[in-house]
Amino acid sequence: DAGVTQSPTHLIKTRGQQVTLRCSPKSGHDTVSWYQQALGQGPQFIFQYYEEEERQRGNFPDRFSGHQFPNYSSELNVNALLLGDSALYLCASSPGQTVSYEQYFGPGTRLTVT
Amino acid sequence: GNSVTQMEGPVTLSEEAFLTINCTYTATGYPSLFWYVQYPGEGLQLLLKATKADDKGSNKGFEATYRKETTSFHLEKGSVQVSDSAVYFCALTYQAGTALIFGKGTTLSVSS
Repeated sequence: DAGVTQSPTHLIKTRGQQVTLRCSPKSGHDTVSWYQQALGQGPQFIFQYYEEEERQRGNFPDRFSGHQFPNYSSELNVNALLLGDSALYLCASSPGQTVSYEQYFGPGTRLTVT
Repeated sequence: GNSVTQMEGPVTLSEEAFLTINCTYTATGYPSLFWYVQYPGEGLQLLLKATKADDKGSNKGFEATYRKETTSFHLEKGSVQVSDSAVYFCALTYQAGTALIFGKGTTLSVSS
């Protein structure tokens, strides 16, 4: 049973560019959340998708947007990249219809903005 | 607002030593509390959880008790191993599957 997978593993972009990160949830999970983890910090919640809609959003600017596909996979898009966007981006999945507190995390995508 | 505060790291211990990592929270109402662990190069894994006051979560020799009166959820282990070296995160949430609020993490390094 494959867990949460993310691609790419590492990414280097230049300020002002746009980036798309991808996530496939654990089998049987239909809810995907995205987190940003800056170096030496805890993960910060960006947003959550369920049934292809954004269900909850953290305190991130509109430059951060997302999408969820019918197969439950998800993308995180960041426009007009800033140096401060350099971080590890984590995807987490959970079963939306059941009462489960566990969110399963992927290994993350390391984004470096130069 | 809701927040989680963890003790500063790194914590450096010898194998078989006793471990305590302090975690306190600020929240309205009664959140659920978690400890996650992040091994080098890997994603976060749920270590243990407690969903109501006085609950004790336990897993792999680690345990933590939800103390409402002191708003704390300290992580303990009686005898650490080298393989326990990782970063430990305390977190809270109000509803199953929704946004987790994390502390900054505490790095544990265990030497043989």
